[in-house]
Amino acid sequence: DTEVTQTPKHLVMGMTNKKSLKCEQHMGHRAMYWYKQKAKKPPELMFVYSYEKLSINESVPSRFSPECPNSSLLNLHLHALQPEDSALYLCASSPGATDTQYFGPGTRLTVL
Amino acid sequence: GQSLEQPSEVTAVEGAIVQINCTYQTSGFYGLSWYQQHDGGAPTFLSYNALDGLEETGRFSSFLSRSDSYGYLLLQELQMKDSASYFCAVPVTGSSASKIIFGSGTRLSIRP
Repeated sequence: DTEVTQTPKHLVMGMTNKKSLKCEQHMGHRAMYWYKQKAKKPPELMFVYSYEKLSINESVPSRFSPECPNSSLLNLHLHALQPEDSALYLCASSPGATDTQYFGPGTRLTVL
Repeated sequence: GQSLEQPSEVTAVEGAIVQINCTYQTSGFYGLSWYQQHDGGAPTFLSYNALDGLEETGRFSSFLSRSDSYGYLLLQELQMKDSASYFCAVPVTGSSASKIIFGSGTRLSIRP
């Protein structure tokens, strides 16, 4: 299995909702990432997990809460989001933190 | 700090050759990667150069000059499906963790 999967593909939520994004990889990669990407911009790093431990938080607001239940899974819990949080949320994994990253297809999030 | 510069837009004709340049400034250098992203899609890995010289993969080649802090992606026999954004990226290592930083992206448009 050489892919990263993400669910859901699309998500529409209100500002008071709580939702979660899920990411899974079975390549044995030890680093996993969450990115946020706005149109016509590069991916913007949010969080890095290395060996299931949070190693980087790029000063992301607390309404985004990451979780790494095991070496194959990565979640992003969303609560009280703002309309400006609407974006493509990408998950990626890599063998190590400086190695080539493999991206999932992303979740297109719309906050109303 | 770390930074990467690449042109924001490039236009080329189908069947032609195009070169996308990237200059970087990093404290410590491990290698230069290139990613392709189609509209609505996720970034996909194209190539990685750790050493000086040209790496060829089919119609795509990537070049690195460490002494000049410069690299480029060369696309030959351009096809309409090559219309996409292209990002150069470098790994950076901090005191406690490592990550990859992306350039701002070059949007390549192919004309018939």
